[in-house]
Amino acid sequence: SIVMTQTPKFLLVSAGDRVTITCKASQSVSNDVAWYQQKPGQSPKLLIYYASNRYTGVPDRFTGSGYGTDFTFTISTVQAEDLAVYFCQQDYSSPYTFGGGTKLEIK
Amino acid sequence: QVQLKQSGPGLVQPSQSLSITCTVSGFSLTSYGVHWVRQSPGKGLEWLGVIWSGGSTDYNAAFISRLSISKDNSKSQVFFKMNSLQANDTAIYYCARNLHAMDYWGQGTSVTVSS
Repeated sequence: SIVMTQTPKFLLVSAGDRVTITCKASQSVSNDVAWYQQKPGQSPKLLIYYASNRYTGVPDRFTGSGYGTDFTFTISTVQAEDLAVYFCQQDYSSPYTFGGGTKLEIK
Repeated sequence: QVQLKQSGPGLVQPSQSLSITCTVSGFSLTSYGVHWVRQSPGKGLEWLGVIWSGGSTDYNAAFISRLSISKDNSKSQVFFKMNSLQANDTAIYYCARNLHAMDYWGQGTSVTVSS
């Protein structure tokens, strides 16, 4: 199985800050990486697919990049409503594994 | 609009089976695959399996001996069944539509395995 190592596990930031989360795949996954946001008590929500494509309706402060084994997810200007856990996932080969998640808290 | 609504038990006895139905609307199962994912505090998000639009399935090897996914296109329903549940199968189980990864998710079914 492909292991997705996501860092950091936890972020404490202020509104307006820039946030970067990374995901490293144990082998190349081309650009088949998605990023999800899960707010407390809700199901995950797709934000980014194919590493850098923003899903319909997702604000442009959310961006993704990367190819091969190294991927980055960025929130350019964090807002209070971005309080959530963020996950990466490889969609390249079965089993379609997830990163361990990054919990984002706002000061 | 696209919706996935899950129905199933919240409590399962150890060694018993879990059955969850995912009823979809706003799209056809003949055009989209549906994944199953679970989430537990100890193991995060774990992909379990998928049924593709054509009806073929792909399972996580860790569960292949006790997992079955099927569907009824005419009823817009996907059926999830896992056998021989134990305490460490306690989790929230989700169905999710496949389009550019998992673009729509069900509300989740919280399952506790306990006697």
